[in-house]
Amino acid sequence: DTAVSQTPKYLVTQMGNDKSIKCEQNLGHDTMYWYKQDSKKFLKIMFSYNNKELIINETVPNRFSPKSPDKAHLNLHINSLELGDSAVYFCASSFRDRGYGYTFGSGTRLTVV
Amino acid sequence: AQTVTQSQPEMSVQEAETVTLSCTYDTSESDYYLFWYKQPPSRQMILVIRQEAYKQQNATENRFSVNFQKAAKSFSLKISDSQLGDAAMYFCAYRSARGGSEKLVFGKGTKLTVNP
Repeated sequence: DTAVSQTPKYLVTQMGNDKSIKCEQNLGHDTMYWYKQDSKKFLKIMFSYNNKELIINETVPNRFSPKSPDKAHLNLHINSLELGDSAVYFCASSFRDRGYGYTFGSGTRLTVV
Repeated sequence: AQTVTQSQPEMSVQEAETVTLSCTYDTSESDYYLFWYKQPPSRQMILVIRQEAYKQQNATENRFSVNFQKAAKSFSLKISDSQLGDAAMYFCAYRSARGGSEKLVFGKGTKLTVNP
């Protein structure tokens, strides 16, 4: 069973479109995250939700909007896609206060053309 | 803000040999956690090893071990008996133990090549 699953794995779309990436975890974790990995492989946090509450919101364009309907799901919606949004987006989950590492999904490679 | 530095963008090792990947970090906190993640070409992020800062004993997971030097803020990863499957990007990461500071801060990664 996949612990953190993201869909889709690949996404190719045109500039200006709106797209969503979905994430689900079955580990019982209370916190979920979105990370962006750029073309140089650098990983940077975008958002974090704890029990449906937004707790981390880094400097991200407001075209990116996360939504967490429950603590097992965290989706990322991106409006008006730009070329610079092309990257790999990772969902991850963990327990907030236990100091363990995250469990990552397999990533979504977004290509904006 | 905490920062993590991996000074070796690329490293290579012969199969069956030992290699050490370097990581330093900057923090004013005394309690935190450190991690090494592996990212093979499949893109999956895999947790390799975890170290608790308040434990002096270095963590070990099979062929992977760390050298944690708290005063020097250094956290290197040693891979023994390297295998072809160890070829990957390796990321060092920091996580504060302070409540409400749960984000993982990553270094820029080291690309490890294993030569047969």
